[in-house]
Amino acid sequence: GNSVTQMEGPVTLSEEAFLTINCTYTATGYPSLFWYVQYPGEGLQLLLKATKADDKGSNKGFEATYRKETTSFHLEKGSVQVSDSAVYFCALSDKKTSYDKVIFGPGTSLSVIP
Amino acid sequence: GAGVSQSPRYKVAKRGQDVALRCDPISGHVSLFWYQQALGQGPEFLTYFQNEAQLDKSGLPSDRFFAERPEGSVSTLKIQRTQQEDSAVYLCASSPSFERGGRNEQFFGPGTRLTVL
Repeated sequence: GNSVTQMEGPVTLSEEAFLTINCTYTATGYPSLFWYVQYPGEGLQLLLKATKADDKGSNKGFEATYRKETTSFHLEKGSVQVSDSAVYFCALSDKKTSYDKVIFGPGTSLSVIP
Repeated sequence: GAGVSQSPRYKVAKRGQDVALRCDPISGHVSLFWYQQALGQGPEFLTYFQNEAQLDKSGLPSDRFFAERPEGSVSTLKIQRTQQEDSAVYLCASSPSFERGGRNEQFFGPGTRLTVL
């Protein structure tokens, strides 16, 4: 079945450091891919998405590229800020269903220290 | 505008009690989802409504779990005879249509944290 694997946390970085959170997926066909973020005390929010191979999703300085050949969707940011401290979830949606049934990875906790 | 709201935010139940968790989606949203998020894990799909129709309940863990959305807006997730393994955060999400393919963003509520003693 469909699944998402992402790097284990917690990840601790200094402000302005480069961030990579790895994500790989297993799916039949070509799913849509997402990164969601959960800030402390808040609900899940969509951070970015890509719906087909080679698409790049971007938002708030974060980027991720849909790599079909490696079944990956790694999240990157060139310079993190303290306000980026949150839990990040990689997710996919199988286009074969009649609606967006989203499957989430386990999440990666990021702490950015000043 | 108002987002997705859920109530209560926290619920403590004794094992064996019944609980009801409410979700108020964004007004006019057609699709509604329930997820269960165990501590330190990602959300897991429970059930999906398109308006008042429950089109997918494949993620409900047992027949003790029941969800409804009778008028196509507010939804209630009911858990009967709660067990300790039901302790989790229950998330509700809504989206404006039933379009697939990732173009139809899901908006999440803050969740209800259920603790079963």
